Amino acid sequence: AQSVTQPDIHITVSEGASLELRCNYSYGATPYLFWYVQSPGQGLQLLLKYFSGDTLVQGIKGFEAEFKRSQSSFNLRKPSVHWSDAAEYFCAVAPLFSGSARQLTFGSGTQLTVLP
Amino acid sequence: GAGVSQSPSNKVTEKGKDVELRCDPISGHTALYWYRQSLGQGLEFLIYFQGNSAPDKSGLPSDRFSAERTGGSVSTLTIQRTQQEDSAVYLCASSRSAPGLNNSPLHFGNGTRLTVT
Repeated sequence: AQSVTQPDIHITVSEGASLELRCNYSYGATPYLFWYVQSPGQGLQLLLKYFSGDTLVQGIKGFEAEFKRSQSSFNLRKPSVHWSDAAEYFCAVAPLFSGSARQLTFGSGTQLTVLP
Repeated sequence: GAGVSQSPSNKVTEKGKDVELRCDPISGHTALYWYRQSLGQGLEFLIYFQGNSAPDKSGLPSDRFSAERTGGSVSTLTIQRTQQEDSAVYLCASSRSAPGLNNSPLHFGNGTRLTVT
């Protein structure tokens, strides 16, 4: 069965600092990978997704993520964090060519705090 | 509306009572999903509706949970005889079509926070 691990429950960074949120997945083949962000009291918003091609994908709000097959990782990065980036971030994985979000597995999330 | 709308945003209920949670998907979206988000957990799939097809109910945790989707639009998630462990945020999402992921991303509502006392 596929699984997603986000090893950092909570990360604190200063505004303007760089950010990397870790995500490791377990799956028998290359999966479909996602990062979502959830602001307080809000639903989830898709930041970026990967399913083929260039392993470095660009998303909204200045985020990017790099797929590393050898490490089974899909870490999220941002060069300079803004206070508005404080939120919870979820990594998710689904089988490639998934026909339904039924097979979408979410990690347990990483809470990001941004210090002024 | 512009996005997925869920109501109520917060619901406090006593153990043993029934609750109904509502989801209005984005107009024209044929696929609708319910997820449960418990404290410190990822999202747990509950149920999936696609057009007029029979729903995928495989994620419902018990027979106290049920959902329907009327007219291919609005959906209601019903929890009967609520228990304290049902306390969670219930998120609804919709997408333009199936397959839900390849080219039709999920759009999430803001969720309903359910507290069972």
